[in-house]
This record gives sequence, structure tokens and C-alpha cells, in this order.
Amino acid sequence: GAVVSQHPSRVICKSGTSVKIECRSLDFQATTMFWYRQFPKQSLMLMATSNEGSKATYEQGVEKDKFLINHASLTLSTLTVTSAHPEDSSFYICSARVPGQGAHGYTFGSGTRLTVV
Amino acid sequence: DAKTTQPTSMDCAEGRAANLPCNHSTISGNEYVYWYRQIHSQGPQYIIHGLKNNETNEMASLIITEDRKSSTLILPHATLRDTAVYYCIVRVTGANSKLTFGKGITLSVRP
Repeated sequence: GAVVSQHPSRVICKSGTSVKIECRSLDFQATTMFWYRQFPKQSLMLMATSNEGSKATYEQGVEKDKFLINHASLTLSTLTVTSAHPEDSSFYICSARVPGQGAHGYTFGSGTRLTVV
Repeated sequence: DAKTTQPTSMDCAEGRAANLPCNHSTISGNEYVYWYRQIHSQGPQYIIHGLKNNETNEMASLIITEDRKSSTLILPHATLRDTAVYYCIVRVTGANSKLTFGKGITLSVRP
């Protein structure tokens, strides 16, 4: 089946530094990818929709200058958390819609656990 | 504004059927019912979806009431590996329709 590969699975960074998370569609082309954030014991919250070759669309309350999204190719989207702070510590998950699988064809990455110290 | 309501948690014995309810009383005619699950520290996994007819696949069955205001996900023979958070989502289909997750129901399968 269609696979979305997300890296790294875990990252620890110092406060004030930036962290890049990659999401790759391995055997299909993803024109649209979605980025979610999940705090402990909470549900997934959609952060932004990433479209290949154009600017991402951010959900209300998500700072676009802090969470930089790049979707430069049909198989790669990246999320960069800039100037990370401890409150940015969370589980970040990407998702892509798989062409040809109908409206239910969303596949998710395995997530990235970010810890900012 | 939650579109679906689910109990917070439930448990069932291994090997028995797990019936997970979901209320979606404000569902509109073009909205489908989707179920996903998330095992701890992993990304969500698609289970099943339906519009108005009952559906079955290799993972589960989905029973939708005639008025479409509620549905039940059935795992016919729950295993320990089915322990997860199960999300019931209603959404329209469409090229880039978003998946919006509620709080889900935590299913614990006990030995």
C-alpha cells in the first residue's frame, strides 16, 4: 500500500534552535499533504495544508512564520519549527492523500516526537 | 463545534467483539462517516468508511442507523493489538477535504 515516510521519529533540540521534519510519499505523488500536531492525551490538530508548488494554507492560530512548510516536489513536504521553545514539544504527524484511492485514501506518517529542552 | 460525540473510553475482552458507538446527529446528506484509529505514538490508520449502507472489510464492520444520526464500529474479534484510540469523523468527500479529529474513544482490550 501507499506509504508516507516521516523522519526523524524522535528529536531533541535546544530552545531557540530550529528543527526540520521531513515527510516523503514513497510510491505515489502527493500534491497535497497535511501537517498535524498532537499534545499528550489530546487529539490531532490540523496545523496546515501543504500544496506542491504553492504556499501552504495555515489553520487559524498557527503561526506561519514559526512553522515553515515547504512542498517543493510531489514526493516531499517539510515542516521546520523555527526558534523552538519547550511549548512546541509535541508529536507532529504528516498525512497525504493517495491518488486513485477515492476520498478515503489518506495515509499518515509515523509521526515525529519533538522535545525542546 | 464537535460534529461527532463518542464515549471517552471502553474496554473489552480479547476475542470478543468490540462495539464502538458514535453519535453524529447533525450529519448532512453528503457527509460520510469515517473511522480511523491511532495506536500509541503512531500515525492514524484508516479503518472503514460509509455513507448510509452498512460496510464491512477485513478490519471491521460499520453499522449506520437508518436516520444516519449514529453509527457503530464493530471489531468482531478484538485482539490486544486493537488497543488504540478510535476516531469517528464525518466529512464530505472532495479532493482536499480535511480530516478533523475529535477526542476519539480509547479502547482497551484486556487479556
